[in-house]
Amino acid sequence: EIVLTQSPATLSLSPGERATLSCRASQSVSSYLAWYQQKPGQAPRLLIYDASNRATGIPARFSGSGSGTDFTLTISSLEPEDFAVYYCQQRSNWLTFGQGTKLEIK
Amino acid sequence: QVQLVQSGAEVKKPGASVKVSCKASGYTFTGYYMHWVRQAPGQGLEWMGWINPNSGGTNYAQKFQGWVTMTRDTSISTAYMELSRLRSDDTAVYYCARVAQRFLEWYYFDYWGQGTLVTVSS
Repeated sequence: EIVLTQSPATLSLSPGERATLSCRASQSVSSYLAWYQQKPGQAPRLLIYDASNRATGIPARFSGSGSGTDFTLTISSLEPEDFAVYYCQQRSNWLTFGQGTKLEIK
Repeated sequence: QVQLVQSGAEVKKPGASVKVSCKASGYTFTGYYMHWVRQAPGQGLEWMGWINPNSGGTNYAQKFQGWVTMTRDTSISTAYMELSRLRSDDTAVYYCARVAQRFLEWYYFDYWGQGTLVTVSS
């Protein structure tokens, strides 16, 4: 099973700041990685797929990069609605999720 | 518009079974694999498996093999997930999730159900 390790576990930032979230795979997943956002009481929402493609309706401040084992989700300038938990997911070998990064207001 | 509507919350005793439904609308049900993902309280997402609504074929995560059964009824565009021999640590919100690309079993999820809370308690 491919293990996805996200860091940091919690990220405390202020609106307007830049957020950088990391996801590391235990073996190469090529570019087969997605990012989701989840707010309390809601289902996850697809943000980025295949490492760097924004899903439909996702604002341009969200971007993804990386390949192989190291991936990054960047939010260029945080809006109040961006504070949530973020998960990465791989589809290279079966399907697994990272444990999540909580993005909280500083 | 695409919608996945799940059945309501359940409370079960240890050792019992639970069956959660996921009714799809707004798209061709048989064209998109349906997956199930669970989330224990305050925890992350755990993938359980998928069903091909067209053929009925399934593929379960190793952890759930022999323990979960996924089925579908194409006449009412509904997928089901049944989990048996429930334990307290099966308490979780169970989601159905549709893959974003037709005919691909291993992909990402663009639509999710609202979630069904299953509580296992004696």
